[in-house]
Amino acid sequence: QQPVQSPQAVILREGEDAVINCSSSKALYSVHWYRQKHGEAPVFLMILLKGGEQKGHEKISASFNEKKQQSSLYLTASQLSYSGTYFCGTERGGSYIPTFGRGTSLIVHP
Amino acid sequence: DTGVSQDPRHKITKRGQNVTFRCDPISEHNRLYWYRQTLGQGPEFLTYFQNEAQLEKSRLLSDRFSAERPKGSFSTLEIQRTEQGDSAMYLCASSRRDRDTEAFFGQGTRLTVV
Repeated sequence: QQPVQSPQAVILREGEDAVINCSSSKALYSVHWYRQKHGEAPVFLMILLKGGEQKGHEKISASFNEKKQQSSLYLTASQLSYSGTYFCGTERGGSYIPTFGRGTSLIVHP
Repeated sequence: DTGVSQDPRHKITKRGQNVTFRCDPISEHNRLYWYRQTLGQGPEFLTYFQNEAQLEKSRLLSDRFSAERPKGSFSTLEIQRTEQGDSAMYLCASSRRDRDTEAFFGQGTRLTVV
C-alpha cells in the first residue's frame, strides 16, 4: 500500500528549514528516502530501520516512529541544491520491495 | 562500478507494437527491480528479481508485460501490444543481497506510445 507524503510541495528561501512527512497504514520494517531532480534518476538519501535510530548526514536527517508508522525527513539551512522531489519508500517486513509515495516537491529560492 | 545502465533511454512506438527494454544492474547486485513512473507520481512497483528468480509481480501488471533475468545478470522488460496508457518512464534498480541496503536506480527508459 502506497505511503502518504505531506506536504505535496514546499517553497523555501535558502537557509530555511523544511520537514517532509511520510505515513503508512501498515506496519513497516524500513523507510527509504530518495531525492529526484527533473529528468534524472532517484538518488538514495538514507534508510531507517525498525528499531533503529534517527539518521542524518550534514543538514539532512530523518526519524522513524514505528508505533505510528511514520517517518519524517528534516532539511535544515536549505541550499539551492536541495531542490527536487523527495520520495519515501516504505517496506513491510519480508517484502524487500520499497513502495513509494507520490513525492514532495521542494523548491529552494535564492 | 558503472552504475545501473538502461537501454534505450528513449523509445517512441506506435500503439499495438511490442517493445523491449534492457537493464544492466551493478555487478554483484543480486536484487533487481522494475518500476514505472508517470509525471507527478512516485515510482510504481512492477516486478522484483532475486538472482534469476522473479519473486514478485505487481497485481496491477497486465499479461502484456513480461520480464526476465536470465542467469541473474541483466534483465529485460517486454511490453506487448502497447497502449497509450503505457507511456511512462520505466526505471530499473538494483541492490545487494544484504538486507537494508540502498537501491541504485538507472536513468530510465522513457516510452512514448503514439
